[in-house]
Amino acid sequence: EAGVTQFPSHSVIEKGQTVTLRCDPISGHDNLYWYRRVMGKEIKFLLHFVKESKQDESGMPNNRFLAERTGGTYSTLKVQPAELEDSGVYFCASSQHSGGRGNEQFFGPGTRLTVL
Amino acid sequence: GDSVTQMEGPVTLSEEAFLTINCTYTATGYPSLFWYVQYPGEGLQLLLKATKADDKGSNKGFEATYRKETTSFHLEKGSVQVSDSAVYFCALSWGGTGGFKTIFGAGTRLFVKA
Repeated sequence: EAGVTQFPSHSVIEKGQTVTLRCDPISGHDNLYWYRRVMGKEIKFLLHFVKESKQDESGMPNNRFLAERTGGTYSTLKVQPAELEDSGVYFCASSQHSGGRGNEQFFGPGTRLTVL
Repeated sequence: GDSVTQMEGPVTLSEEAFLTINCTYTATGYPSLFWYVQYPGEGLQLLLKATKADDKGSNKGFEATYRKETTSFHLEKGSVQVSDSAVYFCALSWGGTGGFKTIFGAGTRLFVKA
């Protein structure tokens, strides 16, 4: 079974440009999460989808970030316009529909974004 | 709010040395606790977990015990190998229908020398 995949693996853009990151969750996983690790600090939650709906977007830093999950399958995270402080590794994770204690989230390899 | 604090790295050990990476948490109630590992060039992988107080999670020779009284979840391994070199993240999350977000520590990089 394929795991969570993310594309691209690495993106280098200039300040002011737009970048779109993609995440394909494990098939059948209703829950999809985006996280970000900036400058070697802790991995921070950005937002959570249940199917195509945003369940929790409390971690989105500002309105330059837009996440979508049309059709409840893959998700995109767009940064427009990108700023230097957006550099970091963006992780996507997915989990099955049924919640419960210890429900495992499966993480993708991450996209490393570098804004110059 | 909820948070996770883990020891700063990097930690450098010789092969077969004993490993401890400290982790403490702040949370209301009793979350589930996790250790994730990120090997070079790879994504995060769940290493072990514990869902209630006094539970011990274990995997690949690593262990961690959920200590409610000290709000800790320290990671230990009796004899590390070069292949254990990676970044280790302590984390907590809450169960519930519809899924839940995970709160991570800053990560501890481990280097194991042959």
